[in-house]
Amino acid sequence: GAGVSQTPSNKVTEKGKYVELRCDPISGHTALYWYRQSLGQGPEFLIYFQGTGAADDSGLPNDRFFAVRPEGSVSTLKIQRTERGDSAVYLCASSLQGSLRREQFFGPGTRLTVL
Amino acid sequence: TQLLEQSPQFLSIQEGENLTVYCNSSSVFSSLQWYRQEPGEGPVLLVTVVTGGEVKKLKRLTFQFGDARKDSSLHITAAQPGDTGLYLCAGMNSGNTPLVFGKGTRLSVIA
Repeated sequence: GAGVSQTPSNKVTEKGKYVELRCDPISGHTALYWYRQSLGQGPEFLIYFQGTGAADDSGLPNDRFFAVRPEGSVSTLKIQRTERGDSAVYLCASSLQGSLRREQFFGPGTRLTVL
Repeated sequence: TQLLEQSPQFLSIQEGENLTVYCNSSSVFSSLQWYRQEPGEGPVLLVTVVTGGEVKKLKRLTFQFGDARKDSSLHITAAQPGDTGLYLCAGMNSGNTPLVFGKGTRLSVIA
């Protein structure tokens, strides 16, 4: 597609459940990022992929959060045993390796609500 | 930990007024980006500044990167209701490293 797409756009779940959020980056972009944006805040980094491997996962808040990118394109962010504090907008971005200005292009986000 | 402080946090002005938004850090960044975000959407890139002292213009928006590459400003001339939104600055270090975002400035332009 022309831009970064994310599904679902909204997800409501109950405390303790497992959720998966999907990101489809711009075709040809090798770098993929996940950010989390809470109400009234700027996005906060979670994890960054270069190709299939996680180059930096220092932003993941705890071991309930995990992300994969098995074929170097689509990525899935997985959250186990969800908590109310996980409620936020989860944003995905991609960028082209070697781009001089390393611009990141964002998807519309998935709004996660944990009841 | 690198932090970016944005000010003001909220700004409500009348159509036609000018405004400046500031983005400050104690850390040096290799580049800084400004984004605009509307409700229910992801941030949209407005500009990237790379060189200390660099000034870029995008129609009525003027972006400046500080000489020391630690701060930046966004100036809007003759604001219009269509400028309403959340303006985010984000710093990046070398390589394809993650962005460090400020908390944003929520701008409301009243007709």
